[in-house]
Amino acid sequence: NAGVTQTPKFQVLKTGQSMTLQCAQDMNHEYMSWYRQDPGMGLRLIHYSVGAGITDQGEVPNGYNVSRSTTEDFPLRLLSAAPSQTSVYFCASSYDGNHEQYFGPGTRLTVT
Amino acid sequence: LAKTTQPISMDSYEGQEVNITCSHNNIATNDYITWYQQFPSQGPRFIIQGYKTKVTNEVASLFIPADRKSSTLSLPRVSLSDTAVYYCLVGGQRTGANNLFFGTGTRLTVIP
Repeated sequence: NAGVTQTPKFQVLKTGQSMTLQCAQDMNHEYMSWYRQDPGMGLRLIHYSVGAGITDQGEVPNGYNVSRSTTEDFPLRLLSAAPSQTSVYFCASSYDGNHEQYFGPGTRLTVT
Repeated sequence: LAKTTQPISMDSYEGQEVNITCSHNNIATNDYITWYQQFPSQGPRFIIQGYKTKVTNEVASLFIPADRKSSTLSLPRVSLSDTAVYYCLVGGQRTGANNLFFGTGTRLTVIP
């Protein structure tokens, strides 16, 4: 199993550009989440999904969109990038809300 | 949303036992307590999870008192490779939601 994979590993955007961060898991997990981690800080939940076709907002959802058309994939879209979105983004999946989450390697995003 | 409070940092010498305590006064009846470890430039990794009393696995023990308002992660005989940030999370499956709050974690530094 590859576990949780994220692409790209690094990305530089200009203010106003849009892009999609990809996340995929091959463990048939229902739960998937996106977090951001700013320097020296903990992880903050952006959006999450409890199954295909179901998504909901986390703690810091503004400026981001998600969709969950399949169990395996959970892309995160930045609509109009801003410097405040410079961060490391982690995707995670879990069997359900009570079980351990498996994290991807992260995407380091810089918005200039 | 059940939030947690942990010490910001701790230092320990190699070979010592380390205990990191987490406060979670607002824990709900169906919430689990989960600890993660994070190394620089990596996603968090699951260490241990419990609901009440004591849980032990090959890397750590988790002690949870009867009122469940706190928990203590115990790392036996730490080594330099245990230097990392440790997060205590409280949450689980509430009406289908995945409400997990990472906080800033405890930065453990193991000294030779």
